[in-house]
Amino acid sequence: EDQVTQSPEALRLQEGESSSLNCSYTVSGLRGLFWYRQDPGKGPEFLFTLYSAGEEKEKERLKATLTKKESFLHITAPKPEDSATYLCAVQEDNTGKLIFGQGTTLQVKP
Amino acid sequence: EAGVAQSPRYKIIEKRQSVAFWCNPISGHATLYWYQQILGQGPKLLIQFQNNGVVDDSQLPKDRFSAERLKGVDSTLKIQPAKLEDSAVYLCASSLGLGQPQHFGDGTRLSIL
Repeated sequence: EDQVTQSPEALRLQEGESSSLNCSYTVSGLRGLFWYRQDPGKGPEFLFTLYSAGEEKEKERLKATLTKKESFLHITAPKPEDSATYLCAVQEDNTGKLIFGQGTTLQVKP
Repeated sequence: EAGVAQSPRYKIIEKRQSVAFWCNPISGHATLYWYQQILGQGPKLLIQFQNNGVVDDSQLPKDRFSAERLKGVDSTLKIQPAKLEDSAVYLCASSLGLGQPQHFGDGTRLSIL
């Protein structure tokens, strides 16, 4: 069964304290891996798509990487405005369906 | 570019009542999705449309949930009758096509009393 697991469930950082979020997955055929940010009361906001192992994408303080079994979202020198829930999703190759993990809730304190 | 529009934002009903949600996708997006997000979990796909045809509805509880996308643009999702476990946020998303990033609306928060 295709599965996506994110860790940790919650993460508290001080402003400027860099860290990484993990997304482990098992899928029969991977078309792509997606990272989203979700603020309270809002829908998920698209951040990155990764298609093959070794690929990396960057946006401001965020950098996403992909291996054959997991993806990392690295946050460098985070700011309070980076506080949100970060969702990882894999897209199945045969159906195109997105399967989401449960998310990591990040809180950055000033 | 206007985003995905959903209405209403909030809905409170009693169990066994019916409810409907509306979604207007980003202009030109052929693929439309409905997700259910229970508190503390990631979104779960209910149904996926390509233009006005259903691509995947394997996780839609068809005894109580129905969805349509007339003319390949707007879509409605209906629940009849509602159960307590249907309390969730219902998210609509759209994309240019399969494999393209999905863009989400802000959802409808449904509470069942």
